[in-house]
Amino acid sequence: NAGVMQNPRHLVRRRGQEARLRCSPMKGHSHVYWYRQLPEEGLKFMVYLQKENIIDESGMPKERFSAEFPKEGPSILRIQQVVRGDSAAYFCASSNPLSGTLYNEQFFGPGTRLTVL
Amino acid sequence: DQQVKQNSPSLSVQEGRISILNCDYTNSMFDYFLWYKKYPAEGPTFLISISSIKDKNEDGRFTVFLNKSAKHLSLHIVPSQPGDSAVYFCAPMDSSYKLIFGSGTRLLVRP
Repeated sequence: NAGVMQNPRHLVRRRGQEARLRCSPMKGHSHVYWYRQLPEEGLKFMVYLQKENIIDESGMPKERFSAEFPKEGPSILRIQQVVRGDSAAYFCASSNPLSGTLYNEQFFGPGTRLTVL
Repeated sequence: DQQVKQNSPSLSVQEGRISILNCDYTNSMFDYFLWYKKYPAEGPTFLISISSIKDKNEDGRFTVFLNKSAKHLSLHIVPSQPGDSAVYFCAPMDSSYKLIFGSGTRLLVRP
């Protein structure tokens, strides 16, 4: 029973390029969350998605960042025209709201470490 | 605007002794509080949680205490083991299921 999968694990981009980060949730999970961790900081919420629907994107920067979770396939976090400040670890988590826990437990993937040169 | 604060960036404890990790928060509307453990180059893994209607939750060597009036919670690990060495994040959940992470406490358990 595979956990949350993210790829690539490491991604290097030059300033101005695009970065695409992929997240496959745990089997049976229909909700996906993206978090970003800057060095020496905690994780910061970015976006919360259901299949084909953005539930909460209050943590997403207004420009250059977008996320989707299509009916088929993984969730994608896309960063256009990357800048050095985008260098961080990006974590995806998934949950099954019908799992029975009251707090909608989130299971995290191993993260994608983005380095912008 | 830091809603969740973990004021000790690091903690060093002797194996077998108690580790106490603290967390303070400002939002009285949080209903659930979770602790995650994180090893380098891995994602956070869920450790233990507590609902706002309780003041204590215990799971094996791990106990979380919640003081709602003080907006403070703590994680106790006893006895501490070298394998517990990791970064621990306090993460209350808001009403829309977002986790609000503290900055973490790096625990080192010395053999």
